[in-house]
This record gives sequence, C-alpha cells and structure tokens, in this order.
Amino acid sequence: QQQVKQSPQSLIVQKGGISIINCAYENTAFDYFPWYQQFPGKGPALLIAIRPDVSEKKEGRFTISFNKSAKQFSLHIMDSQPGDSATYFCAASRWEYGNKLVFGAGTILRVKS
Amino acid sequence: EAGVTQSPTHLIKTRGQQATLRCSPISGHTSVYWYQQALGLGLQFLLWYDEGEERNRGNFPPRFSGRQFPNYSSELNVNALELEDSALYLCASSLGTAQETQYFGPGTRLLVL
Repeated sequence: QQQVKQSPQSLIVQKGGISIINCAYENTAFDYFPWYQQFPGKGPALLIAIRPDVSEKKEGRFTISFNKSAKQFSLHIMDSQPGDSATYFCAASRWEYGNKLVFGAGTILRVKS
Repeated sequence: EAGVTQSPTHLIKTRGQQATLRCSPISGHTSVYWYQQALGLGLQFLLWYDEGEERNRGNFPPRFSGRQFPNYSSELNVNALELEDSALYLCASSLGTAQETQYFGPGTRLLVL
C-alpha cells in the first residue's frame, strides 16, 4: 500500500494557538517523511523532514512527531500566525521506489487574527 | 541561488492538441521530477529523470512523456490533450539519485478547453 492518509482536511486556529496535522501510512518500507507548505498560486515549499529512526524533529515553530509503531507522523505549528495560513502536505518516499513522493491529500490551514 | 524555474506560467490549449512544459532545476541538481496537481486529486507523481535517463514513471498514460537535456533541464510533453489534463504541473529537482529532498518550482497551470 502506497497511500498516505492526511487529516484534517481543513483547520481553523486562533493566532498564537497550536496547529496539528496528522498523517498515517501503510507501507513500513517508507524511510523519508517530508512536510510541504503551499500558498495559492505557488509550488510546495519544503518545511521540515524526518526519518523513522528519529521520534521528533524541531525547526523553529515547526515540529514533526513520528510514531513508527503506529505508522503515524504529525506536524505541530506552535504560536500559529496568520502568515501560516496555507495548504500543508505530508509525504513519504523510499528511493528504491524510484524516489517518488507519495503525498497526503492536504490540509487547508487558516489562522485567525 | 535561483530556485527551480518553470515555463510558461500559464498555458491554454484545446482538446487534442499537444502541450510542452519546461523546467530548469536548481544549479547542481541532476534529478528532475514532474508531478500533476489536479483539483480534487492531490499531487500525483508523473516522471523522474536523472542524468538524462527516465528512472521512474507514475501511473499515467503514454501520452505523458518527457526528456532531460544535457544541462539537466527537462521538458514534459502531453499529447492528445484531454479536458481532465487541466491541472497545475509541478517540477521538482534534487541533488542526485539518492537525495530524497525535492525542491519544487512554481508550476505551469495548464487549461484544456
């Protein structure tokens, strides 16, 4: 199974709050899990990425939590700002599968000021 | 450093015509990937080129084809256009075959009438 399931489909958070987006995968062979941020009319921009041997990775206000046994990973955006309003995609890949990124369906985040 | 560039930004074609989309990777990157982002279908992997060779292909019909030039730029050709080919076509590049991190361009918006 090469699917990545992402939830929620959309999310509204107050300024200063924590935004949490979750993803689940079936194929335990995946070994690279990036998150991308996409603004309207733009291409996806890499936010942060993690490998299964690490349970958490933090870069600024963005944190990935990884649960290998549950086959789940999540993105936490701390102190969410209106400028964070965008669509977020999780993805998974394994270079032996031809390096293709398998994307989740995306989460539309709106941060209210 | 310049990012991934794509041209044209927008393209309007009629059903049955051919479309050619172009991509220039980040300087030093040898791998180029093509993805389709259609409304309601998310981001779908199309093709991967590395060192001038097609390395992997997504689940798309043969009328989607491409090539990579000696300077690592790439071209995506879509023949016999159908209405459902209307989408944002995204190009990404990475440092090489074993480098998973993919950086996306702004995309080409293709509209088939």
